[in-house]
Amino acid sequence: EDKVVQSPLSLVVHEGDTVTLNCSYEVTNFRSLLWYKQEKKAPTFLFMLTSSGIEKKSGRLSSILDKKELFSILNITATQTGDSAVYLCAVKSGANSKLTFGKGITLSVRP
Amino acid sequence: DTGVSQNPRHKITKRGQNVTFRCDPISEHNRLYWYRQTLGQGPEFLTYFQNEAQLEKSRLLSDRFSAERPKGSFSTLEIQRTEQGDSAMYLCASSLAGGFQETQYFGPGTRLLVL
Repeated sequence: EDKVVQSPLSLVVHEGDTVTLNCSYEVTNFRSLLWYKQEKKAPTFLFMLTSSGIEKKSGRLSSILDKKELFSILNITATQTGDSAVYLCAVKSGANSKLTFGKGITLSVRP
Repeated sequence: DTGVSQNPRHKITKRGQNVTFRCDPISEHNRLYWYRQTLGQGPEFLTYFQNEAQLEKSRLLSDRFSAERPKGSFSTLEIQRTEQGDSAMYLCASSLAGGFQETQYFGPGTRLLVL
């Protein structure tokens, strides 16, 4: 059965800090890894990663995938209170279209 | 707003009652997914459709759950004889089938509370 593990499960930082969120996975026939941000409502799409070593970047957020070591990281630099949310990592594998999610990482950014 | 929409946003029901939720996907998307999310957990896959065909169902989907997408557009998820353990957020997502680059976009969810 596919497995996605995120760490840490929660994190409290101050505005301006840089954070690194981790996601490791064990799946058969990996296809892609996705990061979502969830703020008490629908998860909103951040990144999709399919190839190792290629960084995806959007503003202060960036993410990279290591298919050899089976993990991904999501970095947020110069954090703001608006970054407070649950960050979900999900993996698509095999011939299935479904996503297997981790439990999420709750990030709290204090002023 | 051309995103995924779900109705109702909140539902409170008594144990044993039936409930039905609706999802309207992004208009050009041919795939539609249902997930369930409980507090402190990530979403768990329930079922998905490509056009009107239901292609996969999770073992989480007991026989009290049924989903339809009759014309390949909106979908409904019905829960019969609700139990307190059904209390959760029910999320719908849609995508355009397209191999490795397929991305699922989520709706706001329907939060169900079974008393």
